[in-house]
Amino acid sequence: AQSVTQLGSHVSVSEGALVLLRCNYSSSVPPYLFWYVQYPNQGLQLLLKYTSAATLVKGINGFEAEFKKSETSFHLTKPSAHMSDAAEYFCAVSVGGGGSNYKLTFGKGTLLTVNP
Amino acid sequence: GAVVSQHPSWVICKSGTSVKIECRSLDFQATTMFWYRQFPKQSLMLMATSNEGSKATYEQGVEKDKFLINHASLTLSTLTVTSAHPEDSSFYICSARIALVSPLHFGNGTRLTVT
Repeated sequence: AQSVTQLGSHVSVSEGALVLLRCNYSSSVPPYLFWYVQYPNQGLQLLLKYTSAATLVKGINGFEAEFKKSETSFHLTKPSAHMSDAAEYFCAVSVGGGGSNYKLTFGKGTLLTVNP
Repeated sequence: GAVVSQHPSWVICKSGTSVKIECRSLDFQATTMFWYRQFPKQSLMLMATSNEGSKATYEQGVEKDKFLINHASLTLSTLTVTSAHPEDSSFYICSARIALVSPLHFGNGTRLTVT
């Protein structure tokens, strides 16, 4: 079974500061990993994904994440936070592509607040 | 591209009535759609997987007779909450994918309040 652990349910940063949202996964097979962002009362928007290609993945809005197999981590970073980055962020893992209906397992989410 | 439209965005209904939520892929054909439920300040919990032309696959603990899912075409899946009760009040989100290993595209969710 696959699982995701997001460390820190709430992260607060100052505008312009580094954003670091932590995600560790558990999977018995090579996983696909995703980061999604959710704004209030909206669905989820894909930020970036890892699908066994480059370990450093660049996404939208200046976010990137690095897949580290030895640490089973997929932390999300952004060099300089913007007020518009305030939202809920979900890390998700999936295994079993190919012929299966692969399903995403989500972490519990990290609420990012950005202080002026 | 890859837009998923969910309707309605919010609905209030009385206890005992049924509510239908639509999920449409606007610019692609979705062989598979997923329905999630999200409680306040919590993560998304997968309810069921919907494949076009076949019966939905429900996750353990989800009542299939209460949450009816129909995926009649490659662009439309519906979730009907039957005989709704206040505990069914939640945020329901659908997602769809273009191909087997493509990322999921999410609708904007439906806020259901049962009074």
